[in-house]
Amino acid sequence: DAGVIQSPRHEVTEMGQEVTLRCKPISGHNSLFWYRQTMMRGLELLIYFNNNVPIDDSGMPEDRFSAKMPNASFSTLKIQPSEPRDSAVYFCASNPTGGSNSPLHFGNGTRLTVT
Amino acid sequence: AQSVTQPDIHITVSEGASLELRCNYSYGATPYLFWYVQSPGQGLQLLLKYFSGDTLVQGIKGFEAEFKRSQSSFNLRKPSVHWSDAAEYFCAVGAQAAGNKLTFGGGTRVLVKP
Repeated sequence: DAGVIQSPRHEVTEMGQEVTLRCKPISGHNSLFWYRQTMMRGLELLIYFNNNVPIDDSGMPEDRFSAKMPNASFSTLKIQPSEPRDSAVYFCASNPTGGSNSPLHFGNGTRLTVT
Repeated sequence: AQSVTQPDIHITVSEGASLELRCNYSYGATPYLFWYVQSPGQGLQLLLKYFSGDTLVQGIKGFEAEFKRSQSSFNLRKPSVHWSDAAEYFCAVGAQAAGNKLTFGGGTRVLVKP
């Protein structure tokens, strides 16, 4: 079991550029989550998918943010255009059953810096 | 809506000493409770969880936590801390009525003195 795989580990970009973060969940897991972690706001749930369908995107901060899950083994989080305040660590997580009693398995995150 | 409070932002403890991290939650029914640990540059790893039954739960790395409904608390403990326990610890609450969402506390950073 390779765990949840995120890429890239680090991303540095200039304001206004498009950023795409990638995630491969654990095989067989039905739910996938995108979190953002900052010093000021802690861990925030941005969006989650169940069986590749977006269930709740109420945490997505603005229309500049979008997420897709074209199949069970891949998801992207895109920011277009990026802004300095988007700088954070973005985590992807998955769990097997989709219930809130099912622990999350986290990737190692993507550290995004927007200058 | 559920919420989680970790009152201590930083805790410093000597190696070999005991550790207790506080977690208070707010939710109307019995929640699902979790403790996660995050080492620098890593994602969060599950330490333990509570859903029902015995209110004292054992986790990995020698950690345990006790659910106290009357105090709305789920404090994490370890009898003897090792230097490798230096990390950030997050308490989280989930609930069936809240769908598939976990709410995380702000975290407690643990520093271990030699």
